[in-house]
Amino acid sequence: AQSVSQHNHHVILSEAASLELGCNYSYGGTVNLFWYVQYPGQHLQLLLKYFSGDPLVKGIKGFEAEFIKSKFSFNLRKPSVQWSDTAEYFCAVNVGLTGGGNKLTFGTGTQLKVEL
Amino acid sequence: NAGVTQTPKFRILKIGQSMTLQCTQDMNHNYMYWYRQDPGMGLKLIYYSVGAGITDKGEVPNGYNVSRSTTEDFPLRLELAAPSQTSVYFCASSYYGGGETQYFGPGTRLLVL
Repeated sequence: AQSVSQHNHHVILSEAASLELGCNYSYGGTVNLFWYVQYPGQHLQLLLKYFSGDPLVKGIKGFEAEFIKSKFSFNLRKPSVQWSDTAEYFCAVNVGLTGGGNKLTFGTGTQLKVEL
Repeated sequence: NAGVTQTPKFRILKIGQSMTLQCTQDMNHNYMYWYRQDPGMGLKLIYYSVGAGITDKGEVPNGYNVSRSTTEDFPLRLELAAPSQTSVYFCASSYYGGGETQYFGPGTRLLVL
């Protein structure tokens, strides 16, 4: 079965530091990849997604992610984090369901805390 | 658009009680999903629906039931609450399947004592 691994469970950074969160997936077929963010007390929101084409995907709030097929990775990056980026970040891979629709398989999440 | 709405926001249940978690979307999405989120475990799919009248099991369906009588509503039913069902429940929807972005509701926090 497909799975998603996020190796960093908790990350603490100072403002203006650079961020890279790792995401690896195990699935041999065509994948659609997502990063979702959950700010404190809020619901999950889409940060960015990869379907096809340019492997470097740009999302909202200055985030980007690079799909490296050979490494089964989809790492999230931001050059300079802000205090407001404090949140939990989830990587997810989309796989089709037998009954139609698509299932998002999520990683366990990375809790990011940005300190002033 | 309100997007995906869920009620209640928080509920405490006693073991053996039943309840229904409500989910409504106003985006005319065909597909709807229920996930549960447990600390350190990510989100797991409970049930999903590809349209009114059609539902199917996800990864962790035991102890839950769903129905989809309209495009807008996708309630999740817990018949005999157990402590293992203590979790945060998220409803989501998407217009198409196959990789379409899913939009999530604010979640329902459930505590079973």
